[in-house]
Amino acid sequence: EVQLLESGGGLVQPGGSLRLSCAASGFTFSSSAMTWVRQAPGKGLEWVASIIDSGGSTYYANSVKGRFTISRDNSKNTLFLQMNSLRVEDTAIYYCAKGGIGLAQGVDPWGQGTLVTVSS
Amino acid sequence: QSVLTQPPSVSAAPGQTVTISCSGSSSNIGNNYVSWYQQLPGTAPKLLIYANNQRPSGIPDRFSGSKSGTSATLGITGLQTGDEADYYCGTWDSSLSAGVFGGGTKLTVL
Repeated sequence: EVQLLESGGGLVQPGGSLRLSCAASGFTFSSSAMTWVRQAPGKGLEWVASIIDSGGSTYYANSVKGRFTISRDNSKNTLFLQMNSLRVEDTAIYYCAKGGIGLAQGVDPWGQGTLVTVSS
Repeated sequence: QSVLTQPPSVSAAPGQTVTISCSGSSSNIGNNYVSWYQQLPGTAPKLLIYANNQRPSGIPDRFSGSKSGTSATLGITGLQTGDEADYYCGTWDSSLSAGVFGGGTKLTVL
């Protein structure tokens, strides 16, 4: 069974940093693109970033470009999202998901999400 | 304002059929795969349709997807109260080099 377990969320002040992790199991992690998607309270889904299987290429939403970094450790089956210069508007549930939104197989499955709250 | 446009809400009675539209452009829907996601209240999204019209194993054939030009449609037949959820379309935008989602459609089964 494919499982994705996010961790690292919490309360942080504006301008602060946070590193999210996503532990993957049940599939060949090193052969799968991975994606982060977020959802602000009461709002819709927002694609944040994606990374290819090797980690050699990364893609970011304009809203996070230059502040967030997606990376992976294929030896530890773990996906990361380093978030710097956090803003109030980054407050959201952050989901880790297998695949890529533009790939034929879509994004599936999704983790349960981790809540990031940016507030003073 | 989302790159992909969905109706904010749709409703229908149990047993009826509903369609949810997703409108985009040649840089996204027109030249990339579309997928659809169901988000039940308080849960993570789940893949319903991939590659425009394919259902993952375990998804009932009451759910269908189609794409024509720069628009995509999700169809749900034999509506059940358990289908009440938010539905999102998603694809890649080649001009933005970014993933994009529709704003979401809230389905109410009356």
